[in-house]
Amino acid sequence: DAGITQSPRHKVTETGTPVTLRCHQTENHRYMYWYRQDPGHGLRLIHYSYGVKDTDKGEVSDGYSVSRSKTEDFLLTLESATSSQTSVYFCAISNGQPQANTFGSGTRLTVV
Amino acid sequence: SQQGEEDPQALSIQEGENATMNCSYKTSINNLQWYRQNSGRGLVHLILIRSNEREKHSGRLRVTLDTSKKSSSLLITASRAADTASYFCATDSGTASKLTFGTGTRLQVTL
Repeated sequence: DAGITQSPRHKVTETGTPVTLRCHQTENHRYMYWYRQDPGHGLRLIHYSYGVKDTDKGEVSDGYSVSRSKTEDFLLTLESATSSQTSVYFCAISNGQPQANTFGSGTRLTVV
Repeated sequence: SQQGEEDPQALSIQEGENATMNCSYKTSINNLQWYRQNSGRGLVHLILIRSNEREKHSGRLRVTLDTSKKSSSLLITASRAADTASYFCATDSGTASKLTFGTGTRLQVTL
């Protein structure tokens, strides 16, 4: 997806290990978001950022932390991965209302 | 909690037919958006309708919004096999353009 990339695209990790997912944008958009997608739940917001070093919790933030040290990058960290965090993670960006979110291609994370 | 509930969960039609998907939500909104997701891919924005709008068109897409009933519908006219995908409604209700998604409708268009 133009202007937004996620890495890695796929990751398998063991329970209890830390994991960091990266989202990088080239659009200079103010807002960045992390969602997770699970069958039967659609997408749910984990955390979001409204500026450098400005972040807030979403609907399903337990077990996750985020950081945004510069406009382009938004990191999602699972401090100690659990099997319930097996999911597809999407990053999105927006420049505010009324504007649609632009989504990355996703990271498929499997915790074994 | 899910803001949006979509109906039907799955829809199978033949090419050339129209497809209608419905979305209901719970709280007041700034705008409502529809997205498409092809299997294994990210979400692609289709159309955004503001809370003070009742209908919006984009190509073969027609979206309606009824804020009194807290519901929206997406109509795809003259469906094509390439329209096969999952479709999600999402509501923007607060600040920072955060979205709350419905559970989606899986559309299958057969030749």
